[in-house]
Amino acid sequence: NAGVTQTPKFQVLKTGQSMTLQCAQDMNHNSMYWYRQDPGMGLRLIYYSASEGTTDKGEVPNGYNVSRLNKREFSLRLESAAPSQTSVYFCASSEGRGIDGYTFGSGTRLTVV
Amino acid sequence: RKEVEQDPGPFNVPEGATVAFNCTYSNSASQSFFWYRQDCRKEPKLLMSVYSSGNEDGRFTAQLNRASQYISLLIRDSKLSDSATYLCVVKTGGYQKVTFGIGTKLQVIP
Repeated sequence: NAGVTQTPKFQVLKTGQSMTLQCAQDMNHNSMYWYRQDPGMGLRLIYYSASEGTTDKGEVPNGYNVSRLNKREFSLRLESAAPSQTSVYFCASSEGRGIDGYTFGSGTRLTVV
Repeated sequence: RKEVEQDPGPFNVPEGATVAFNCTYSNSASQSFFWYRQDCRKEPKLLMSVYSSGNEDGRFTAQLNRASQYISLLIRDSKLSDSATYLCVVKTGGYQKVTFGIGTKLQVIP
């Protein structure tokens, strides 16, 4: 019973490089999310997918793209990494009924140099 | 004014003490409220939802005051294992309208 699985756990990129963060959930949840967490700030929503086949921008979408590959998987892509994207990234999922809480993955620590 | 405000702490309390955290929110239309716990370098985990009538889960009590627009978390008989950061989360409707506070750090001292 893995819950939400994120890969990789750590990554160092050079400015301008690209990468994809992978996320998969095995709870049959409808909704999936990508957040970033920076020191002194609350988690901020990058993109979300309310259900399979849909994706929408969150609070801080610039510089990112997402793909909801199927009900289980939701990936986040950085096309051209910038130092400002150094952060901890969390994927989360929820049943999507609106009042339920989220289950988070263990996070990806990304450093862009 | 920030949408969700928390005192970042740290709150240093001895084992066995009672400690309370408050979280204020600015949008009176907010609908759902949660407390999450985040251990150092780990993911947030849902601690408890906060219901209008208040709710309790063991040593933890959550309360909502809609008139003053704040929620609170009370921890009784603090344990060393309670040391963590406690995040306040407020939903105002829709997937985008979920705001996380910066968290309040609790350190329980032997």
